[in-house]
Amino acid sequence: ETGVTQSPTHLIKTRGQQVTLRCSSQSGHNTVSWYQQALGQGPQFIFQYYREEENGRGNFPPRFSGLQFPNYSSELNVNALELDDSALYLCASTQGGRTEETQYFGPGTRLLVL
Amino acid sequence: AQTVTQSQPEMSVQEAETVTLSCTYDTSESDYYLFWYKQPPSRQMILVIRQEAYKQQNATENRFSVNFQKAAKSFSLKISDSQLGDAAMYFCAYRSLSGTYKYIFGTGTRLKVLA
Repeated sequence: ETGVTQSPTHLIKTRGQQVTLRCSSQSGHNTVSWYQQALGQGPQFIFQYYREEENGRGNFPPRFSGLQFPNYSSELNVNALELDDSALYLCASTQGGRTEETQYFGPGTRLLVL
Repeated sequence: AQTVTQSQPEMSVQEAETVTLSCTYDTSESDYYLFWYKQPPSRQMILVIRQEAYKQQNATENRFSVNFQKAAKSFSLKISDSQLGDAAMYFCAYRSLSGTYKYIFGTGTRLKVLA
């Protein structure tokens, strides 16, 4: 167990809808990253939050947005869902700083867009 | 931009035998971290082993060890005495020491362990 939890475990939406995925990090982990893992692929970096501010983003459009809260929880929001958004969404947390380089992953939320 | 390549989509190993999973990467940086993660059917990514690029000594964790060849940009994972519980997807990942904490992952190798 990594101490990182995600909800819900599974979700089905239709094209054009909006979705919010949630992640709860380990206490003291002030950095959270979100990844999209399409079927049969490795995870792709969406963005990262550090102390409630976005501080890095991958090649994802602005309809992917996030929030990080002081209680070590975070959200990934996706607007105007497209069929290609169907994937496993993983969050990962780290304590931050050069001394802690390992990210601890949650079990993921599997999103299906119909 | 950094890239990570895993050229073996699937590997099989007999229980109690040894298997090696390959990973190559491309970077212009001299200092970075490399990781192997295991993803069982439960989907949770579990850290297997970590290697700091500035360390010449290969990392080991019980039955898991790596062969890190910095000049060749190669980072293979050796699993000794394979067990049924080792069956999973294995991902190689790269992390720069500059910028964000993002990991760059390979496409994974599915390991099957035969009884």
